[in-house]
Amino acid sequence: GESVGLHLPTLSVQEGDNSIINCAYSNSASDYFIWYKQESGKGPQFIIDIRSNMDKRQGQRVTVLLNKTVKHLSLQIAATQPGDSAVYFCAENTNSGGGADGLTFGKGTHLIIQP
Amino acid sequence: GAVVSQHPSRVICKSGTSVKIECRSLDFQATTMFWYRQFPKKSLMLMATSNEGSKATYEQGVEKDKFLINHASLTLSTLTVTSAHPEDSSFYICSAKDSSLNTEAFFGQGTRLTVV
Repeated sequence: GESVGLHLPTLSVQEGDNSIINCAYSNSASDYFIWYKQESGKGPQFIIDIRSNMDKRQGQRVTVLLNKTVKHLSLQIAATQPGDSAVYFCAENTNSGGGADGLTFGKGTHLIIQP
Repeated sequence: GAVVSQHPSRVICKSGTSVKIECRSLDFQATTMFWYRQFPKKSLMLMATSNEGSKATYEQGVEKDKFLINHASLTLSTLTVTSAHPEDSSFYICSAKDSSLNTEAFFGQGTRLTVV
């Protein structure tokens, strides 16, 4: 079936640099996307979301970009810190995030911050 | 954000026994709860969706008689792994949302199940 996938399983960056984590999705009906951060042994933590009527959304130190033409999603983290080390998942949903549909998660990217 | 609490956070059980995992929404009404399963170094896979007062809807390949889900109130859903086997060892995570609101679902902290 259709699913959300990620380009890189591991991303290593220097502390203070910017990070870009990519995600490709295949369900053209998806209209709501979320990025989650998961630390070892914990549940996913919401970072930022974006709906399909937008192509960019900014939060604190994070920016999500959505390119519906090529079905691509990215998460940019500015000035990475040691606490940013985690696995990052993109997830997608239909019904614009409302309704009662569960999320389809990508495979995850392990972000490693080097001192 | 809203708080979803899972209990227990870790559990070890013997093969053949059943284990119940609780998922509670602490400060909102969870009309819909979701149960996910996550194997080590893998992504989360949706197991089932439960609406308060209704039978759960299971994803393809998930045995409903093995993973019993109850959602009898607006603040509590339970997942019971029946006749557990070592291959059921996994990280189980719930999420909850008020489907009348246009917000994302909130995740619990997960339950690490080890079957020995």
